[in-house]
Formats: sequence, structure tokens, C-alpha cells
Amino acid sequence: GDSVTQMEGPVTLSEEAFLTINCTYTATGYPSLFWYVQYPGEGLQLLLKATKADDKGSNKGFEATYRKETTSFHLEKGSVQVSDSAVYFCALSDGWGGGFKTIFGAGTRLFVKA
Amino acid sequence: DVKVTQSSRYLVKRTGEKVFLECVQDMDHENMFWYRQDPGLGLRLIYFSYDVKMKEKGDIPEGYSVSREKKERFSLILESASTNQTSMYLCASSFPRMNTEAFFGQGTRLTVV
Repeated sequence: GDSVTQMEGPVTLSEEAFLTINCTYTATGYPSLFWYVQYPGEGLQLLLKATKADDKGSNKGFEATYRKETTSFHLEKGSVQVSDSAVYFCALSDGWGGGFKTIFGAGTRLFVKA
Repeated sequence: DVKVTQSSRYLVKRTGEKVFLECVQDMDHENMFWYRQDPGLGLRLIYFSYDVKMKEKGDIPEGYSVSREKKERFSLILESASTNQTSMYLCASSFPRMNTEAFFGQGTRLTVV
């Protein structure tokens, strides 16, 4: 079945450091890929998405490229800020029955120190 | 501003109680979902609904049921709460297209004692 694997956390970085959070997936179809972010005490919100191979999603300085050949969707940011401290979830949506379902990774907690 | 609202942020219930978690969305979304979130396990799908009175089991439906009598409201029911159902519960909604995002509520932290 479909699955999403992302790097375990927590990840601790200093402000202005470069961030990479790895995400790989397995899917039976041709999924859409997402990164969601969860700030403390809140629900998840969409950070970025990509719907076909070689698409790059970007938002708030974060970016990720849909790599079909390596089944990956790694999240990157060139210079993190303290306010980026949150839990990041990689997810895919794939066909299921007559509709679709979304599968989430386990989440990676990011701490950014001033 | 789009909204998914869960009725409670925190709940404490006793073992064996019947528990109702309510979720309302104001975006006219067809799809609604209930997930539970546990450390190290990410979000696991309990049930989803793609239309009024329609429901589908997710990956972990045991011990739960759902109700969707109106398009905007999706309820999760714990028939007889147990301590292993202590968790964060997240409701989400979306349009019925694979490439669209899901919108999440703030979550309900349920503790069963």
C-alpha cells in the first residue's frame, strides 16, 4: 500500500542555518505530494504542494521538488528562523476506491535556536 | 477565512463512557476526515466521508464510529472509551479532488482515565 517515510526528529538548528527534511514515498498511482506544518497548539496547515513530476512547490522560503525517479519530496529552506520551529509532515494523496485518500508521514519536529 | 471548528480543545472522559467529538466546516467541502495523532506515528486516518450519510473506514476504525447528517458536520463517536484512545484527534475537510489541500481544525486532546 501507499506510505510516506520522513526523517526522524527532532532536528535542532541555529538561526540562519540550512534546513533539509527528507521525505520518500511509495504509491500505487500517481500521487499529489504535500508538506504541512503544525505550529504549537494548532492544527495542520498546508505549507506547499506539487501535483506532478518535476514540479517545485514553494512558500515562505521553503521549497520541495517532486522527484518521481527517486520517489522523493525533500523539504528545504536556505535560512531558518526561530519562528519556523514546528512539526513538519510530508503527505501524499492517491486514488483509493472511487475517490482518494491522504497518507501522512510521522512528522519531523524542528527546533530553531536564536 | 476558511474554518474547520472542533467543539472542544480538551476533554477528559472516564473509561466506558460514550464520547462525541464534533467538527463543523464552513467551506461547503464534500470530504471530511477524522485522524488521530500520536507521537512517532503521525496522523492515522480513522474514518472519512465523501457525502452526507456516506462514510468509509480508514486505517484504524476499530472502537470508533462516525455520523454525517449534514454536509457541514462530521461527528466521531467513541462507543466505549478506553485508555488506549487517549490521543489528539484532528478533523479535516477538503474538496473531492486529489490535488487539493485539506483544511484542519485545531484538534481535540482527549484523555481517557
